[in-house]
Amino acid sequence: SAVISQKPSRDICQRGTSLTIQCQVDSQVTMMFWYRQQPGQSLTLIATANQGSEATYESGFVIDKFPISRPNLTFSTLTVSNMSPEDSSIYLCSGKGVSETQYFGPGTRLLVL
Amino acid sequence: SQKIEQNSEALNIQEGKTATLTCNYTNYSPAYLQWYRQDPGRGPVFLLLIRENEKEKRKERLKVTFDTTLKQSLFHITASQPADSATYLCALDPLSSGSARQLTFGSGTQLTVLP
Repeated sequence: SAVISQKPSRDICQRGTSLTIQCQVDSQVTMMFWYRQQPGQSLTLIATANQGSEATYESGFVIDKFPISRPNLTFSTLTVSNMSPEDSSIYLCSGKGVSETQYFGPGTRLLVL
Repeated sequence: SQKIEQNSEALNIQEGKTATLTCNYTNYSPAYLQWYRQDPGRGPVFLLLIRENEKEKRKERLKVTFDTTLKQSLFHITASQPADSATYLCALDPLSSGSARQLTFGSGTQLTVLP
């Protein structure tokens, strides 16, 4: 199974600033995803991170707000731009290999003041 | 519209009893369905996968059933323990082809096993 690490694990940020979250997978995966989970809620997919090309965003999420990079198979970043308190959430990186199982990182807990 | 619904937000049971969680879906024809466990402050952890042609799957004290006619999956934990307390999420691939796309998750059921 894949082991996925994220950093930072948590952060407190000021309104209007940006935060970049890093995700590293310990083995090659075919797909990487970014999810958001607000308190008491389920996971909402933000985008699929595509290696070497622009990410594929879900409805309600745009590249200007959540730019994503994936320079190689095992690394991706998500930036939360121009943050507001509504962006306070847990951000989860996920990877999927040849099996149907998805593996998740521990999450980044973000609080925007 | 497509929906995944889990039976209740919270379920409390006594230690030693069997916990049964329900996942219903509409307007999907998934090739498989998965169950995950999530502890507070952690990412979801995969537990079991059941395919559309499987009626039941077991792993230690866990059992999952999948009824594609009812569009329902049941998740059972037998001889429950306080350590089983967590949120349980069902998830499915939204494409009937079962291609390698992302999973869509239900809202989860928070299980508390009382000692």
